[in-house]
Amino acid sequence: NAGVTQTPKFQVLKTGQSMTLQCAQDMNHEYMSWYRQDPGMGLRLIHYSVGAGITDQGEVPNGYNVSRSTTEDFPLRLLSAAPSQTSVYFCASGLINTGELFFGEGSRLTVL
Amino acid sequence: KNEVEQSPQNLTAQEGEFITINCSYSVGISALHWLQQHPGGGIVSLFMLSSGKKKHGRLIATINIQEKHSSLHITASHPRDSAVYICAVETSGSRLTFGEGTQLTVNP
Repeated sequence: NAGVTQTPKFQVLKTGQSMTLQCAQDMNHEYMSWYRQDPGMGLRLIHYSVGAGITDQGEVPNGYNVSRSTTEDFPLRLLSAAPSQTSVYFCASGLINTGELFFGEGSRLTVL
Repeated sequence: KNEVEQSPQNLTAQEGEFITINCSYSVGISALHWLQQHPGGGIVSLFMLSSGKKKHGRLIATINIQEKHSSLHITASHPRDSAVYICAVETSGSRLTFGEGTQLTVNP
């Protein structure tokens, strides 16, 4: 098992550019989610999914899109990057109601 | 006021000390998670609790649903326990809300 694979690990964008953060898991987990982590604010939920074809908004969804066409993949799209989206992003997956969450290694995004 | 409050924000201990980190929350929850974030940034899941107490090695987590409070205890602390410990509450629909974390430093 590779666990949760997040790519890229680092990315620099200019304001207005678009990009996709990839997240894949090979553990057949129903639950997948994206978080951003900013200094002094802790982790905040962006979007999450409880199964293929199902997505829902978290605490800070504006400026981000997601889709869940397969169980394995949950990409996060920034359609028009803004400096306020400079952050470290984490993807996580897990089996619903069993507790353990598995996190990716994180992606550091800088928007200039 | 945040839905999830952790205390203390920072904690420095000497090797061998017993450590307690607290988490209070203000909403109804289906479960509470404790996570550990290593100095390199990686995050691992330690516990999920919906009631009572769980133990794994030197780590113990407790939750009091009526008082909306959870504690994470580390017995016989070691420098390798130095990390950020994060409390997160799970509400309906599997939504997670996180505390800001407690930075623990254990000195040899």
